[in-house]
Amino acid sequence: AQRVTQPEKLLSVFKGAPVELKCNYSYSGSPELFWYVQYSRQRLQLLLRHISRESIKGFTADLNKGETSFHLKKPFAQEEDSAMYYCAPANNAGNMLTFGGGTRLMVKP
Amino acid sequence: DTGVSQDPRHKITKRGQNVTFRCDPISEHNRLYWYRQTLGQGPEFLTYFQNEAQLEKSRLLSDRFSAERPKGSFSTLEIQRTEQGDSAMYLCASSPSGQDYGYTFGSGTRLTVV
Repeated sequence: AQRVTQPEKLLSVFKGAPVELKCNYSYSGSPELFWYVQYSRQRLQLLLRHISRESIKGFTADLNKGETSFHLKKPFAQEEDSAMYYCAPANNAGNMLTFGGGTRLMVKP
Repeated sequence: DTGVSQDPRHKITKRGQNVTFRCDPISEHNRLYWYRQTLGQGPEFLTYFQNEAQLEKSRLLSDRFSAERPKGSFSTLEIQRTEQGDSAMYLCASSPSGQDYGYTFGSGTRLTVV
């Protein structure tokens, strides 16, 4: 069965500190991987996807196929990064995402 | 096109009543998804449409749940004989075909069964 684990429910850091939000998945094949973010009182929105190798709002995500991990990182957290973050691998057909339980990031001033 | 729209935003209903939610996806998107999210959890997949065809349903979706997407445009999700355990946020999302695209989500419909 496809499983996605985000081991931290809450991650609290000070402004300017590095951030790493962990995501581990157990999937067969090579799924496409996504991170979604939900800011307070806003809808869930796409943050970044592995295939585009992009950096969005200073965040990057590294795929480690050996460890089946797709951790989200940012070198210097900002207060506006405070939000819920969800890791979401796609199935092999590419037509369905499975979401992790989410990590709440709190960036303190 | 202002994105994915869901209606209503909130619904309070008595146990045993039927409820129906509507989702209007982005017009160019031929895939449409329904997810359910409860407090402290990530969204859980319910069902998926490619155009008007319902291609996949979660085992979470009991016989009381039904979804339609007539003409491949808007979709409705109906819950019959609601139970307190149905209280959740119901999210709709759409995407183009292809595995490289993420979803665009609506704001959701929050259902409270009393």
